[in-house]
Amino acid sequence: AQSVTQPDIHITVSEGASLELRCNYSYGATPYLFWYVQSPGQGLQLLLKYFSGDTLVQGIKGFEAEFKRSQSSFNLRKPSVHWSDAAEYFCAVGSGAGSYQLTFGKGTKLSVIP
Amino acid sequence: NAGVTQTPKFRVLKTGQSMTLLCAQDMNHEYMYWYRQDPGMGLRLIHYSVGEGTTAKGEVPDGYNVSRLKKQNFLLGLESAAPSQTSVYFCASRQPFRDTSNYGYTFGSGTRLTVV
Repeated sequence: AQSVTQPDIHITVSEGASLELRCNYSYGATPYLFWYVQSPGQGLQLLLKYFSGDTLVQGIKGFEAEFKRSQSSFNLRKPSVHWSDAAEYFCAVGSGAGSYQLTFGKGTKLSVIP
Repeated sequence: NAGVTQTPKFRVLKTGQSMTLLCAQDMNHEYMYWYRQDPGMGLRLIHYSVGEGTTAKGEVPDGYNVSRLKKQNFLLGLESAAPSQTSVYFCASRQPFRDTSNYGYTFGSGTRLTVV
């Protein structure tokens, strides 16, 4: 069964500092990986996704993520955090043909100090 | 471009009452999903459907039923609500995987349900 672990429940960074949110997955085949962001009281917005090819993926709002197969990781990064980035971030794993489900991690809440 | 629409957005139920949450999508997607979100638990899959007239259980199906009578609608029912079902419910839809260009989930904005 596929699973996702986000080791950090809550992270606090200062505005302008760099950010890295960790995600580790478990999946028997080639994973398709996603990062979503959820602002308070809102739905989920897709930040970026990885299917294959270049292991460094660029997303919206200046985010990027790097797929490392050897470490089963898909960490999200941003070089300079803005106060508006405060939200909850979810990593998810799915697959293509033959699997129907998207499995989410428990989320990392990001707080930004002005 | 409505995408995925969930109704209602908020609801308060008494224990033992029943209700139905409606999810409607206008993208002609084959697959539809119901998730629940609880603090510290992420999103957990309740039920899903891979086509009109078909449904399947997800990770946490107990206490819920679903129906997919029309391709564009996916209904989630609570026959006898319990306080443990207090949660935020999200619906999502997508097309079957054909290639990476079409692979993506679209989520609704959620239904916040409180059972007292």
